[in-house]
Amino acid sequence: AQSVTQLGSHVSVSEGALVLLRCNYSSSVPPYLFWYVQYPNQGLQLLLKYTTGATLVKGINGFEAEFKKSETSFHLTKPSAHMSDAAEYFCAVILPFSGGYNKLIFGAGTRLAVHP
Amino acid sequence: DVKVTQSSRYLVKRTGEKVFLECVQDMDHENMFWYRQDPGLGLRLIYFSYDVKMKEKGDIPEGYSVSREKKERFSLILESASTNQTSMYLCASSPPPGSANYGYTFGSGTRLTVV
Repeated sequence: AQSVTQLGSHVSVSEGALVLLRCNYSSSVPPYLFWYVQYPNQGLQLLLKYTTGATLVKGINGFEAEFKKSETSFHLTKPSAHMSDAAEYFCAVILPFSGGYNKLIFGAGTRLAVHP
Repeated sequence: DVKVTQSSRYLVKRTGEKVFLECVQDMDHENMFWYRQDPGLGLRLIYFSYDVKMKEKGDIPEGYSVSREKKERFSLILESASTNQTSMYLCASSPPPGSANYGYTFGSGTRLTVV
């Protein structure tokens, strides 16, 4: 089955440390890949996306992700965590759907905690 | 910027009530979607629409219906609310795949509690 897997439902880092949130997908076709962030009691905000072209994608707030086709991965990183990065992060992939349509499939989410 | 507006942030309804969740987008997007979000399950697609008066079932359509009479508005209907429909509901819209700015834009969500 086509799916998105986020490894680790909770990740905790120290302020200033590297942030690494893992995402693997399964797809029979070249995917479009996304990372969204959700702050408490808010909707989802797009961090970055990969559609075609350069496999290293830079997003907002200093985040970046690299599409690795051979590993079917799209891990999210940030060199130095800030307290304001504490939120829930969702990896998502556009997959073909019935009737020739596409749909956005989400991973279960990773809650990032940043401690002083 | 694309704006997706959900009419209510919080709703409390009684079991058996008919519930309408409204979503409006202002960027003339063809595609609109309803998701529900539950802890540990991420977001799951309920219904989507690729055109006015057109709808397609997502992964969990049972107990829900939708209406899209105008391009900018996509309504989610709970015909007879049940406690297992207590959740956060998120609406999204997008331009067609292949568009330069392709991606989904989400509303702020409606947290529905059914008692």
